[in-house]
Amino acid sequence: DTAVSQTPKYLVTQMGNDKSIKCEQNLGHDTMYWYKQDSKKFLKIMFSYNNKELIINETVPNRFSPKSPDKAHLNLHINSLELGDSAVYFCASSLEGSGRPQEQFFGPGTRLTVL
Amino acid sequence: GDSVTQMEGPVTLSEEACLTINCTYTATGYPSLFWYVQYPGEGLQLLLKATKADDKGSNKGFEATYRKETTSFHLEKGSVQVSDSAVYFCALSLNTGGFKTIFGAGTRLFVKA
Repeated sequence: DTAVSQTPKYLVTQMGNDKSIKCEQNLGHDTMYWYKQDSKKFLKIMFSYNNKELIINETVPNRFSPKSPDKAHLNLHINSLELGDSAVYFCASSLEGSGRPQEQFFGPGTRLTVL
Repeated sequence: GDSVTQMEGPVTLSEEACLTINCTYTATGYPSLFWYVQYPGEGLQLLLKATKADDKGSNKGFEATYRKETTSFHLEKGSVQVSDSAVYFCALSLNTGGFKTIFGAGTRLFVKA
C-alpha cells in the first residue's frame, strides 16, 4: 500500500492555465506539507497543515492555494500558471502529536512543466 | 534565523571508499536532526535521525552524531556502494508553534564501480 500518494505524476500545461495536484496519505498522520523542489534540487516548504488547519504559509504567490478537506488529504491548486512554477512538487506527512518533531514521509512527486 | 548548511556536491567516489558529507546548523531552539536520501525519480525518504545531543543515528551502514557543541550532524559511511548514488539532504525540525523543517541544499553523491 502506498503511504503518501500524489496525482498526477507528470503535468504539462500552458502558461495562464489553472491546475490542481492531489495528495493523500494513509498513515494516520496529523500533519501534511507541500514542498517545491527546483532544478538544482533545492527543497522549499510552501505550506503545512495540522489537523486540517493551516499552520505554515511561507512566502509563496497567492496564486497557490492549498486545501485540506480532511486529515488524510491536502490538495494544491495553482492559478494562472507561470514559467517559473515549473518544478517538482512534493507532498509529505508526519505525526506530530507527541510534541517532538518527527520524520516526514514523502510522496513520489509531481513534475510540473509550464510551457 | 534557522538554517542548515551542507557541503556542496557533487561528490564522486569509487566503490568501497569512505564517505563524509558535512552538515552544520543554526537553530533558535533545540531541533531534531535528520538525514534524508533521494534516489533518482523518487521522493525523499528518511535515512537516519537524532533527537538530542550525542545521539547517534544509523541505518544501512550510514551514521551521524548530533554534536551540540559544534552544531554539526555529519553523515559518514565506511564503504560506499554504487547503489548509494543519490542526493542526500540534511534537515532540522523545530516546534515553533507549528512544526517547521528546514532542509539543506542537498549533496549529490556519485559512486563509480
